[in-house]
Amino acid sequence: EVQLVQSGAEVKKPGESLKISCKGSGYSFTSYWIGWVRQMPGKGLEWMGIIYPGDSDTRYSPSFQGQVTISADKSISTAYLQWSSLKASDTAMYYCGRHGGWLEPIGYWGQGTLVTVSS
Amino acid sequence: QSALTQPASVSGSPGQSITISCTGTSSDVRNYNYVSWYQQHPGKAPKLMIYDVTNRPSGVSNRFSGSKSGNTASLTISGLQAEDEADYYCSSYTSSSTLVFGGGTKLTVL
Repeated sequence: EVQLVQSGAEVKKPGESLKISCKGSGYSFTSYWIGWVRQMPGKGLEWMGIIYPGDSDTRYSPSFQGQVTISADKSISTAYLQWSSLKASDTAMYYCGRHGGWLEPIGYWGQGTLVTVSS
Repeated sequence: QSALTQPASVSGSPGQSITISCTGTSSDVRNYNYVSWYQQHPGKAPKLMIYDVTNRPSGVSNRFSGSKSGNTASLTISGLQAEDEADYYCSSYTSSSTLVFGGGTKLTVL
């Protein structure tokens, strides 16, 4: 069974750094692209970017380029989303998902990680 | 790039059919048959309902169907059921080699 399990909710202060994770199981982690999607409170879905764990090829939505870093450690089947300096506007639910192939739809989703940034 | 345009809300009675539209541009919906639809219940992760404009993943009810004409894709739900009440999002591949979502549509089953 394909599963994506994300790390738990985080509460951070503005300016702090953060790295959240998404661990895949039940399939060949290195063979499928993993994407990240943001959902701000009461708002819609926003596609942030994508990584191929097999070779760490990474692409970003122009809206998120330079704002976050997507990475992966294939030895532990885990993808990451990180911030170097959080802002209050980063408060959101973040989902990881497994794409079927390059920019194919996300057929499997993690449960989401809620990030709250508040002073 | 801008989000795809969806109506904020639609509603229908049980048993009826409804259609949700998703309007893009020649940089996304018009020129690519890579439109998907997701269903999201409150507090839950999205679920893929339609991919490549018209295809249903295994396990998705055949009450859900997709189509496209020009810049606009559509999701039709027939035989509305209470469990269909949720938010629905379209998504498309873009000419910039990215994905873009629609703003979402809240479906209310009356």
